[in-house]
Amino acid sequence: QKEVEQDPGPLSVPEGAIVSLNCTYSNSAFQYFMWYRQYSRKGPELLMYTYSSGNKEDGRFTAQVDKSSKYISLFIRDSQPSDSATYLCAMSYLSDYKLSFGAGTTVTVRA
Amino acid sequence: NAGVTQTPKFQVLKTGQSMTLQCAQDMNHNSMYWYRQDPGMGLRLIYYSASEGTTDKGEVPNGYNVSRLNKREFSLRLESAAPSQTSVYFCASSEASSGRRNTEAFFGQGTRLTVV
Repeated sequence: QKEVEQDPGPLSVPEGAIVSLNCTYSNSAFQYFMWYRQYSRKGPELLMYTYSSGNKEDGRFTAQVDKSSKYISLFIRDSQPSDSATYLCAMSYLSDYKLSFGAGTTVTVRA
Repeated sequence: NAGVTQTPKFQVLKTGQSMTLQCAQDMNHNSMYWYRQDPGMGLRLIYYSASEGTTDKGEVPNGYNVSRLNKREFSLRLESAAPSQTSVYFCASSEASSGRRNTEAFFGQGTRLTVV
């Protein structure tokens, strides 16, 4: 079993829809949680970064962490065609240099 | 404003050939990483370097070697390429240090490697 499991997708939604992305993890020692966005043929870039359980909002993006259920989510409101990308969840231990990534979910927002 | 620069961007190798992937960062970051990305597998860590002069194995180190040449540069070498090493390789760097472990990783644009 992989440490980090991510809904495989792909997802195709109409412009303006809410996009919901999810990851589960097996090791309760993970303390830092991130979402990266990767456009086609580009490197990943950090979108959201959270430490504690709860919600964190940044514009149209909301990251949610539920440590008791070992479950994290990313919501994209009022989705735009420019949001079409692969979204990767990532997480790390408290005292570690390494990130563990989910497999990624490819999202297409149709105009 | 280069960030993390990888060379080459594309490469085709024959089985058994060797090559070195180059990576340089201009952000004065302590830590550097090599990942490979395969369809359905996400990013898997090959090797990382927490500081100049140190390297450690990641999840999938077999068939690879690395060198942290100085603080800026971290190279990945394939000594005898195999078709299973066909992948997209990403170099990344972060400010992570012994006193501050969990910081944002910045990625390069990737090297698309095909081994035939």
